[in-house]
Amino acid sequence: SQTIHQWPATLVQPVGSPLSLECTVEGTSNPNLYWYRQAAGRGLQLLFYSVGIGQISSEVPQNLSASRPQDRQFILSSKKLLLSDSGFYLCAWTSLINTGELFFGEGSRLTVL
Amino acid sequence: RKEVEQDPGPFNVPEGATVAFNCTYSNSASQSFFWYRQDCRKEPKLLMSVYSSGNEDGRFTAQLNRASQYISLLIRDSKLSDSATYLCVVNMSPTNFGNEKLTFGTGTRLTIIP
Repeated sequence: SQTIHQWPATLVQPVGSPLSLECTVEGTSNPNLYWYRQAAGRGLQLLFYSVGIGQISSEVPQNLSASRPQDRQFILSSKKLLLSDSGFYLCAWTSLINTGELFFGEGSRLTVL
Repeated sequence: RKEVEQDPGPFNVPEGATVAFNCTYSNSASQSFFWYRQDCRKEPKLLMSVYSSGNEDGRFTAQLNRASQYISLLIRDSKLSDSATYLCVVNMSPTNFGNEKLTFGTGTRLTIIP
């Protein structure tokens, strides 16, 4: 069966520090991968999606970046965090055979101070 | 107008009651629709897809009204375990081929009271 993991689960970072969140999927190949952010009182916002290794599409301008160095690995990064980067970050995957279902990781809760 | 709009609630409903949520969407070309459930501080999980003819899964019924551009979720005989936030999700991808245009509502918070 397929599983998705992301880490770390919780982190507190000072403004201006770097960020790296990692997500891996097991049990499937060539998944579509996504990074979402959920801020307090707001809906899930799509940040990046990837349909293959090295292929990244960005939905919104921001100081975050994403990379997909391997088929089942998706990384979210920042060189310098802002206060507004605080939120609940969710990695998700799906495949073309799905009927629109996104499978989410457990989430990473980021607080920028 | 928001792309996907939901009443944020909270809805506080006694156990055993019936509760209904509506969700409106702005893009008339939207292809597919879903309800997700999100427990507090957890990741969202698919509750059910919404089909044009309406569909039912146990105590849950989902309906789509394309003319008025809204979807609904009805929960009958509500249980304490139904307490969660319910997210309306609309796929605005024109081809319905990928999921990159899944747009989430902000969610409706439901609390079932014993």
